[in-house]
Amino acid sequence: SQTIHQWPATLVQPVGSPLSLECTVEGTSNPNLYWYRQAAGRGLQLLFYSVGIGQISSEVPQNLSASRPQDRQFILSSKKLLLSDSGFYLCAWSVFRTWGEAGELFFGEGSRLTVL
Amino acid sequence: GENVEQHPSTLSVQEGDSAVIKCTYSDSASNYFPWYKQELGKGPQLIIDIRSNVGEKKDQRIAVTLNKTAKHFSLHITETQPEDSAVYFCAASPRAIGNEKLTFGTGTRLTIIP
Repeated sequence: SQTIHQWPATLVQPVGSPLSLECTVEGTSNPNLYWYRQAAGRGLQLLFYSVGIGQISSEVPQNLSASRPQDRQFILSSKKLLLSDSGFYLCAWSVFRTWGEAGELFFGEGSRLTVL
Repeated sequence: GENVEQHPSTLSVQEGDSAVIKCTYSDSASNYFPWYKQELGKGPQLIIDIRSNVGEKKDQRIAVTLNKTAKHFSLHITETQPEDSAVYFCAASPRAIGNEKLTFGTGTRLTIIP
């Protein structure tokens, strides 16, 4: 069966410090991968998605970046955190379909980031 | 781009009663409408979805209806139970590579009163 692991679960960082959140998926190959941020009362905002190794698309301009060094690994990073980067970050994956179609998203447990 | 509005933002119902959450969308090209349930401290989980070629789908106590003409869809939960308490998100997507065009509503916090 497929599983998704995301860590760390919680993180408290000072302003200006770097960030690295990691996500790995097991039990599937060539998944589509996603990073979302969840803010109170604002639903889920897509930050980045990837359809393959080294292929990253950004949905919103921001202080963050993403990388996919391996097929089932997705990393969210920042060189210098801002107060506004605080939030709940969710990694997710979906099955890659050659014909292209939205389908079920499988979310990780999330990482709560507090920037002080 | 797509805009999804979700109402109400909070909903309290007596255990055993029904709960209804409504969403509207703006992009007539949207053809996929999932609903996710998020329990406290966890990631969202898909509970039901519907594609635009059907008007209604049911799975035990949960049902979703879609009105393409009016561009709205609804989640119906019957015979509610305490474990139904959670935040529910609707979403809509047009045809895409994957879920990169999926737009979420702002969520409904459902509380079941024992």
